[in-house]
Amino acid sequence: QVTLRESGPALVKPTQTLTLTCTFSGFSLSTSGMCVSWIRQPPGKALEWLARIDWDDDKYYSTSLKTRLTISKDTSKNQVVLTMTNMDPVDTATYYCARSRIEGATIYFDYWGQGTLVTVSS
Amino acid sequence: EIVLTQSPGTLSLSPGERATLSCRASQSVSSSYLAWYQQKPGQAPRLLIYGASSRATGIPDRFSGSGSGTDFTLTISRLEPEDFAVYYCQQYGSSLFTFGGGTKVEIK
Repeated sequence: QVTLRESGPALVKPTQTLTLTCTFSGFSLSTSGMCVSWIRQPPGKALEWLARIDWDDDKYYSTSLKTRLTISKDTSKNQVVLTMTNMDPVDTATYYCARSRIEGATIYFDYWGQGTLVTVSS
Repeated sequence: EIVLTQSPGTLSLSPGERATLSCRASQSVSSSYLAWYQQKPGQAPRLLIYGASSRATGIPDRFSGSGSGTDFTLTISRLEPEDFAVYYCQQYGSSLFTFGGGTKVEIK
């Protein structure tokens, strides 16, 4: 059974750095083809993909946010960590982690965490 | 970066009716990399369709996906009460993912 769970602060101040952890079970991020992404959703708005890390430690970032994001993994702990620097109130959102697999010529998010709401306010 | 535009923004229909949701890409998308998700209030998105037309595990056959190139469609043949939700399309290209702005299917 695949599960993912996000954790981190519910409130951060402007200019601070946000650190979120995705703890997962039911799969290994050392298995070929496995990937974990971070996706966010401001209240009442659409989903926005942020970053992805692959089983081979390849990393990919949203073009618009790449200067502020760092994604990393700890395979032994089954965790993926996202840091986002210089937080702003517009970064207030529910942050999700989600699993994807590269299977032949397709890739999609098949399992999602329940999300964690992060509010940016002084 | 490929932009996905979903229309309409809101679809007001009655249970039993057919829903047709559109997702248009700013440039051609490989059908293999087009997916659809359903999201209900307070919940994470749920995968419905991948590869433009393949249903995910456990998804009822009233949900179907079609399209190619820049135009993709999600069809719900007969709306059930539990289908009223927001639907997102998503594409993958050049190692990046993008989502559409969503279509809300509401009860008329």
